[in-house]
Amino acid sequence: DQQVKQNSPSLSVQEGRISILNCDYTNSMFDYFLWYKKYPAEGPTFLISISSIKDKNEDGRFTVFLNKSAKHLSLHIVPSQPGDSAVYFCAASGSGNQFYFGTGTSLTVIP
Amino acid sequence: EAGVAQSPRYKIIEKRQSVAFWCNPISGHATLYWYQQILGQGPKLLIQFQNNGVVDDSQLPKDRFSAERLKGVDSTLKIQPAKLEDSAVYLCASSLSASGSVAYEQYFGPGTRLTVT
Repeated sequence: DQQVKQNSPSLSVQEGRISILNCDYTNSMFDYFLWYKKYPAEGPTFLISISSIKDKNEDGRFTVFLNKSAKHLSLHIVPSQPGDSAVYFCAASGSGNQFYFGTGTSLTVIP
Repeated sequence: EAGVAQSPRYKIIEKRQSVAFWCNPISGHATLYWYQQILGQGPKLLIQFQNNGVVDDSQLPKDRFSAERLKGVDSTLKIQPAKLEDSAVYLCASSLSASGSVAYEQYFGPGTRLTVT
């Protein structure tokens, strides 16, 4: 049973525009969420996180929004750069237990 | 700060053979994870160690997979015998203590790509 879902396998965005990556989860016990970025032949790299006590967390060009009632989170990248082209995974955890990962969204930023 | 180290990076074996992967976590990280990532899917947790004790191995196929973390630092993951469906990237990650209600972000190694023919 996939508890964390990323329904868009791929996304293409023009350089300078906003990239919005979406993630949905089913388990209401999840209270900590992360986004990872993965380049080919490398392991995932931590990008940004958010606790369920917040609805927004911002770090430079990256902002994560959490809508607990909808069990939905999104990652905004503004402005998008060609170096942002990678696969993005969202992950969720409840009470410090294991993380469940989504299937990933491949972002391509077109110069 | 050195990252999570894994070896080998690539391995090709025939089905029914054995294989072992090695992981060295970030210094000071008490928690170590092994994930299996099949092509087109997200990482799936196989086993989680807290120091040298197993916290969660509910998704580890114990008839063929085994893992150990002697002395609470390095870890090895073994598959014996391998099946075709074991072809995947095996990722090792580490984090600060994941005990209690606090979750910490995990830092991943580059992974080992296993191909079973």
